[in-house]
Amino acid sequence: EIVLTQSPATLSLSPGERATLSCRASQSISTNLAWFQQKPGQPPRLLIYGASNRATGIPARFSGSGSGTDFTLTISSLEPEDFVVYYCQHRSNWPPITFGPGTKVDIK
Amino acid sequence: EVQLVESGGGLVQPGGSLRLSCAASGFSFSTYSMNWVRQAPGKGLEWVSYISDSGTFIYYADSVKGRFTISRDKATSSLYLQLNSLRAEDTAVYYCARDLEVVPGTIFFDYWGQGTLVTVSS
Repeated sequence: EIVLTQSPATLSLSPGERATLSCRASQSISTNLAWFQQKPGQPPRLLIYGASNRATGIPARFSGSGSGTDFTLTISSLEPEDFVVYYCQHRSNWPPITFGPGTKVDIK
Repeated sequence: EVQLVESGGGLVQPGGSLRLSCAASGFSFSTYSMNWVRQAPGKGLEWVSYISDSGTFIYYADSVKGRFTISRDKATSSLYLQLNSLRAEDTAVYYCARDLEVVPGTIFFDYWGQGTLVTVSS
């Protein structure tokens, strides 16, 4: 089973700052990685697929990069609605499909 | 507009059973693979089960294998999850999620329902 590790667990930043979230896989997953955003009481929303492709309707301030075992989600300038939880998820050599434990971005 | 609407959740005693439904609309249901994903209160996301577009291929997480059964009905554009031998640790919001394969091998959950809460407690 491929294990995904996200860091940091919590990221404290101010609006307008740049956020860098990390996701590391226990073995190479090529670019078979997606990022989701989840607001309280809502289902996850797809942000990035294939490690670096923005999903439909996702603002340009969100970008993804990486391949193999190390991946990054970058939010170039945090908006108030961005202070929520982010999950990475792989789709390589599945099943199982696994998610990272999440990174919470909160207001400093 | 793509819509996924789950139902069937509720309070059930340990060892009990429940059947969850996911009504799909706004797309050709029979041409998409589907999944169930759950989230325990205050916890992260856990993939539960997958069913291919035709129903030929079915997979489960080890945590539910032998207890849960996924199925789908083309005629009613519905996805189901039969939950048997329920345990306290199965308490979670259960989401149905659609698969999108943009190119062979690049598959991801593109649409999610709002979820239905299953609580296992005596």
